[in-house]
Amino acid sequence: QSVLTQTPSTSGTPGQRVSISCSGSSSNVGGNTVNWYQQLPGTAPKLLIYGDNQRPSGVPDRFSASKSGTSASLAISGLLSEDEADYYCATWDDSLNGPVFGGGTKLTVL
Amino acid sequence: EVQLVQSGVEVKKPGESLKISCKGSGYIFTNYWIGWVRQMPGKGLEWMGFIYPGDSDTRYSPSFQGQVTISADKSISTAYLQWSSLKASDTAMYYCARHTALSGTAKWFDPWGQGTLVTVFS
Repeated sequence: QSVLTQTPSTSGTPGQRVSISCSGSSSNVGGNTVNWYQQLPGTAPKLLIYGDNQRPSGVPDRFSASKSGTSASLAISGLLSEDEADYYCATWDDSLNGPVFGGGTKLTVL
Repeated sequence: EVQLVQSGVEVKKPGESLKISCKGSGYIFTNYWIGWVRQMPGKGLEWMGFIYPGDSDTRYSPSFQGQVTISADKSISTAYLQWSSLKASDTAMYYCARHTALSGTAKWFDPWGQGTLVTVFS
């Protein structure tokens, strides 16, 4: 049972816009910035978004994120087949005094 | 280029000990916490613990406290994760990752090592 809640799976067609949600509490999402990681099949996770909505260098602007209260979301526009991956939200948890992850959302590009 | 390179695949028997490694390069190794993250087969990511190589300060997730030991050798920019007695349930992919803290509330893992697959079976 992950501390942060994500929908297990979602799908979209090429060119479409999809959104992935992440729900937490005041001790994590509500009080700390949210990060998103992309894990392509058979590879290590990669930082996609940090600080709620900041893209590291090299991440396309098709990826965007936002946060409101104890919920966050990742949006992917202009979906490409290469976006098929698992996406994890993560943040710091003040009660745990450590990072926590969502259970991950598997994105399938149809 | 900032990089973390982990040791290779391990196949062990229950009860055996194991130490896997994570070597950092391209940055000042002693200035950043290194975290370890477990991913069991087909499952999500779980934080196990951190180490600050500068002074070997170590923090563990309650779920992993007493189950593993995290250490570092700053002279060779390498962090370690070790088990004294493996169980079949330790079968997983283990990742190390550099932890950056921009402020008290903005913290993230980047980059990640390529992962070390540990398989424990009799």
